[in-house]
Amino acid sequence: GAGVSQTPSNKVTEKGKYVELRCDPISGHTALYWYRQSLGQGPEFLIYFQGTGAADDSGLPNDRFFAVRPEGSVSTLKIQRTERGDSAVYLCASSLDTDTQYFGPGTRLTVL
Amino acid sequence: AQSVSQHNHHVILSEAASLELGCNYSYGGTVNLFWYVQYPGQHLQLLLKYFSGDPLVKGIKGFEAEFIKSKFSFNLRKPSVQWSDTAEYFCAVNINAGNNRKLIWGLGTSLAVNP
Repeated sequence: GAGVSQTPSNKVTEKGKYVELRCDPISGHTALYWYRQSLGQGPEFLIYFQGTGAADDSGLPNDRFFAVRPEGSVSTLKIQRTERGDSAVYLCASSLDTDTQYFGPGTRLTVL
Repeated sequence: AQSVSQHNHHVILSEAASLELGCNYSYGGTVNLFWYVQYPGQHLQLLLKYFSGDPLVKGIKGFEAEFIKSKFSFNLRKPSVQWSDTAEYFCAVNINAGNNRKLIWGLGTSLAVNP
């Protein structure tokens, strides 16, 4: 497919568990972004990659959140010791350098 | 801190009515401006964007927006809505400074168009 894909589409976990969320950007897009969206809110920026490196991680809420993009394509968002407040839709977007960000369908994370 | 305000949280219109959704941002420098739409069950899609040039920008599906720098506004308009325009609309701003790429978002406006 030509768009951004995210897996899983839904993830239910228990408080305290570790989760990984995956994002496959549009082929050739050098920039990749993670946002999260809580119910009734707009998306909130988490982190932005340019190539393999995190160019801006100022939105990560605390050290339980970490993201990688080892080969400059697929990215994984990792959340340790999940808390109920982490429940949200996690959105991934990609872009060609500074151009428009194209969004994936999101992963709905529910922490019980 | 920079912020984006969308004035209308829920809008209900009849088909053929005109639409205007307000968006204001708080930042005195150069910005890039976006409107995204999320149709029911679908992901966020770009409606239109403004980077520079003509402050009146036209997007997909008959939407347009006007950037008024003096008012820090980027309002979305459509002269005649259709039932298929029922969706959530988000205004977003990128501060055009250095390597900054993050988008700052409004809370969104839920639009329901009655047939």
